Amino acid sequence: TQLLEQSPQFLSIQEGENLTVYCNSSSVFSSLQWYRQEPGEGPVLLVTVVTGGEVKKLKRLTFQFGDARKDSSLHITAAQPGDTGLYLCAGAGSGGGADGLTFGKGTHLIIQP
Amino acid sequence: DVKVTQSSRYLVKRTGEKVFLECVQDMDHENMFWYRQDPGLGLRLIYFSYDVKMKEKGDIPEGYSVSREKKERFSLILESASTNQTSMYLCASRTPYNTEAFFGQGTRLTVV
Repeated sequence: TQLLEQSPQFLSIQEGENLTVYCNSSSVFSSLQWYRQEPGEGPVLLVTVVTGGEVKKLKRLTFQFGDARKDSSLHITAAQPGDTGLYLCAGAGSGGGADGLTFGKGTHLIIQP
Repeated sequence: DVKVTQSSRYLVKRTGEKVFLECVQDMDHENMFWYRQDPGLGLRLIYFSYDVKMKEKGDIPEGYSVSREKKERFSLILESASTNQTSMYLCASRTPYNTEAFFGQGTRLTVV
């Protein structure tokens, strides 16, 4: 069974600080996705990374796929209260779950004003 | 704007009731999925469907069934609701060629 470990599980920081969350596995994935889920809503796709070493930027969010395609990170610069939410990573391919996707359990992020 | 719509945001049902959760997508996606999301357990796949009238068991299908009579609609059925089925239920859809999933807004089901 493939596993995606996300860390930290919970993170509460002040507005304006920087942070990084991690998504790690011992398995290789063909691609990896990051979703953000706000309370009471469904997850919304932020980005997909496909190539080992790939870096994608979405405004203040920077996503990186590890060279070996086993891990990924999400870095937020100058965090804002609007960044608050549950961040989920999901790996595709390489014999994942029945639907082809393996989800991490998520990082709960709270940005204090 | 693409959409996956779940019929209810909140539901409260009694133990033993038959419960229907409906999901409709307007993106002409072949693949549709039902997950439940619980604190500390993450998203767990209940059932999925690759085509009309086709269904496949996910990781936790016990106590659930599904129906896909039309491409755009995927229903989750709790045959006899139990308190351990209290959860957030999420529907998702995607094409077979792309693993990027589009989720509905979720249904928070409470069984009392």
